[in-house]
Amino acid sequence: EADIYQTPRYLVIGTGKKITLECSQTMGHDKMYWYQQDPGMELHLIHYSYGVNSTEKGDLSSESTVSRIRTEHFPLTLESARPSHTSQYLCASRGAEETQYFGPGTRLLVL
Amino acid sequence: KNQVEQSPQSLIILEGKNCTLQCNYTVSPFSNLRWYKQDTGRGPVSLTIMTFSENTKSNGRYTATLDADTKQSSLHITASQLSDSASYICVVSDRGSTLGRLYFGRGTQLTVWP
Repeated sequence: EADIYQTPRYLVIGTGKKITLECSQTMGHDKMYWYQQDPGMELHLIHYSYGVNSTEKGDLSSESTVSRIRTEHFPLTLESARPSHTSQYLCASRGAEETQYFGPGTRLLVL
Repeated sequence: KNQVEQSPQSLIILEGKNCTLQCNYTVSPFSNLRWYKQDTGRGPVSLTIMTFSENTKSNGRYTATLDADTKQSSLHITASQLSDSASYICVVSDRGSTLGRLYFGRGTQLTVWP
């Protein structure tokens, strides 16, 4: 079991609210990632980070933002949630080897 | 265009039976191929990882094969159990970037019935 955690696991929120999805890992990995996954669909990379103070946008355009102030912490923020943001958000990290370790995910429902 | 295609999209089998899931990819230059298992509501968990030179790799009742010439991989599950019910995702990595870019298939949804 990988040591990567996400909170909350489930979130139901109204349109226009600001939300932050938390992701933390205790493996000391430099590379961290955020993916968005709709039911029955593939994972889409929305943000990644090579290390502290490094963040980049992924392939899928997203209105979310991320920060990487500490190695172990990679939160994702939506300033104003909309129903189109309803999805599952998966955080992952990768160390020296190739394997990405995924967190349990956050299921977001925006009403 | 780099793509990963999986088949079948869904599969139902009886407990104790074997099954094989397929993955075709067009990712180039190829680095490695992984199979992940994703339980409902959870994040994917790595089952196997294979590089260009590896043809077969096993992890318990899971056996993955790779044919780098035809760009095909399969995941064989032996003596299925109810706990095998999950989505199985094929993920291919390219070696053209320091990011180690991953390309995800949509997964095969496996349901094992008692």
